[in-house]
Amino acid sequence: DQQVKQNSPSLSVQEGRISILNCDYTNSMFDYFLWYKKYPAEGPTFLISISSIKDKNEDGRFTVFLNKSAKHLSLHIVPSQPGDSAVYFCAASAFDNDMRFGAGTRLTVKP
Amino acid sequence: DGGITQSPKYLFRKEGQNVTLSCEQNLNHDAMYWYRQDPGQGLRLIYYSQIVNDFQKGDIAEGYSVSREKKESFPLTVTSAQKNPTAFYLCASSIGWGDNEQFFGPGTRLTVL
Repeated sequence: DQQVKQNSPSLSVQEGRISILNCDYTNSMFDYFLWYKKYPAEGPTFLISISSIKDKNEDGRFTVFLNKSAKHLSLHIVPSQPGDSAVYFCAASAFDNDMRFGAGTRLTVKP
Repeated sequence: DGGITQSPKYLFRKEGQNVTLSCEQNLNHDAMYWYRQDPGQGLRLIYYSQIVNDFQKGDIAEGYSVSREKKESFPLTVTSAQKNPTAFYLCASSIGWGDNEQFFGPGTRLTVL
């Protein structure tokens, strides 16, 4: 039962352009959403999050958008840099409950 | 330096052998978690512990066992009952159960030959 889905296994963009990573969820009880970034052979590291009371959260080059009616969130990276190349996991949690992760999207930023 | 350590980074075992993966944190976090990552799948929760001396099964606990005798340590044993143990295993911790930000260790890649 995949409650969090990342339908694009990979994404390739040119350096300097925008990267948009998408995530869909099915559980309407989710109220907190996170993006993690993972380099090969390392554990995921927290990148950015958003509460369900907001529809946008920005941190430098990273912005997460939440569309609750569509049960959809997206991560925008502008401008994309080669060092952003990694696997990005979307995660969601309901209050006092365990976190559910998507399958990840591998982003490749080409110089 | 505070963080989570997992050892070893790579582990090879013969089929039918039990193997224990180490996870230690010095973040003073109450909650700890074990996840398994397989290609094309999200992280799946194996076991979690909300507090020392307590642990609960996650979504895919069959064939695994854990202990939480110390706050900083949460070892995972992959038993011979686990039918497909070859995977990347990630340990994580958070300040408390339900805290949204989890901190991950570097992972252990287990290969069963």
